[in-house]
Amino acid sequence: GAGVSQSPSNKVTEKGKDVELRCDPISGHTALYWYRQRLGQGLEFLIYFQGNSAPDKSGLPSDRFSAERTGGSVSTLTIQRTQQEDSAVYLCASSLRPGLAGRQFFGPGTRLTVL
Amino acid sequence: EDQVTQSPEALRLQEGESSSLNCSYTVSGLRGLFWYRQDPGKGPEFLFTLYSAGEEKEKERLKATLTKKESFLHITAPKPEDSATYLCAVQASGAGSYQLTFGKGTKLSVIP
Repeated sequence: GAGVSQSPSNKVTEKGKDVELRCDPISGHTALYWYRQRLGQGLEFLIYFQGNSAPDKSGLPSDRFSAERTGGSVSTLTIQRTQQEDSAVYLCASSLRPGLAGRQFFGPGTRLTVL
Repeated sequence: EDQVTQSPEALRLQEGESSSLNCSYTVSGLRGLFWYRQDPGKGPEFLFTLYSAGEEKEKERLKATLTKKESFLHITAPKPEDSATYLCAVQASGAGSYQLTFGKGTKLSVIP
């Protein structure tokens, strides 16, 4: 079956613009996670979805960041008024259920560059 | 706060030269420790889950071990295709605990 897909693979934007990043998880996976990976840094947890709800938004770095998930499937991470420090690879992952959080299947990521 | 520290940051090995990568962790209660492999331009790929001290898992040339404070990823007779960044992550125990805390990774280069 298909793995986790993300789009776009690369996004270059100007400071102050809004961007939307999309994630399609593996079919049937109820849990979905967003991470940020800055150059030379570890993966930084952003947000987690169980179905369509996000019990924990504590990882979002500022109120410019938001995310939603619809139909228990596709998720969108939105960054408003982008800043240069938002430049990073944004990774999405899914797991069959939250109890298997460790066994996450990752997408290829979206590389965001803010000029 | 959960913390994961990996060492070394980078490791160059000759093909066939065995070695180990280290992952030290601090967590309030360990639900699981996970190893992932990440190739350039790709997302991490799951390798192993370890749940309790003394546990070992093997896959081809890789063997992961766990103690109460650290985990090792042993690479036996590595090949160039083993070159990648290896990531360690922990999941804390407790109701509703689902978040993984990742280390920065060890970048392994295996030279033919």
